Amino acid sequence: QVQLMESGGGVVQPGGSLRLSCAASGFTFSKSGMHWVRQAPGKGLEWLANIGYDGRDKHYADSVKGRFTASKDNSDNTLYLQMNSLRIEDTALYYCGKDLNWGCDYWGQGTLVTVSS
Amino acid sequence: QTVVTQEPSFSVSPGGTVTLTCGLTSGSVSTSNHPSWYQQTPGQAPRTLIYNTNTRSSGVPDRFSGSILGNKAALTIRGAQADDESDYYCLLFRTDDTWVFGGGTKLTVL
Repeated sequence: QVQLMESGGGVVQPGGSLRLSCAASGFTFSKSGMHWVRQAPGKGLEWLANIGYDGRDKHYADSVKGRFTASKDNSDNTLYLQMNSLRIEDTALYYCGKDLNWGCDYWGQGTLVTVSS
Repeated sequence: QTVVTQEPSFSVSPGGTVTLTCGLTSGSVSTSNHPSWYQQTPGQAPRTLIYNTNTRSSGVPDRFSGSILGNKAALTIRGAQADDESDYYCLLFRTDDTWVFGGGTKLTVL
């Protein structure tokens, strides 16, 4: 069955960096695009980034463009999100999702990122 | 900037039917936006209900259906049950190859 497991969250100071990982199994990762989505405490879902199946096409929300970079290691079935210049408002639960026909059909359980001094 | 709009809250009686909508502050939602719908209960990851306007995700009962109604995407829930009480989010694909979520609808079943 499809499984997605995020990791790498933690507490970081404003201006700091963090790299999230999403380990995928149960499907052909090398043929699937992926998404990153986050949810700030008590708030709604926010789409952040999409990466194409081969890791080449990437698209970002304006809120993270230039600070966050998505990447994909198809040899290791792992999705990454490199987050730089972190801000207080980046505090959220971060989810990875498997793309299907311009939506997400499977989700991980999320990893919590807290940006605080 | 165009915002995706959803009803902040909605109420339905057990066994009843409810239609939640997903619109744009500027323009119309069409199948080209490939609307998808997600259900989320507190403390849980989202669950995919509908993708590509009207395709049900694996395991989703046919009580849930997606469509375009007028200039909005719509999620219809028939025979509402207590465990349908959740937050519902729509996701739209945009012409600049980005995606955007609506603000979500909190559905109460009572």
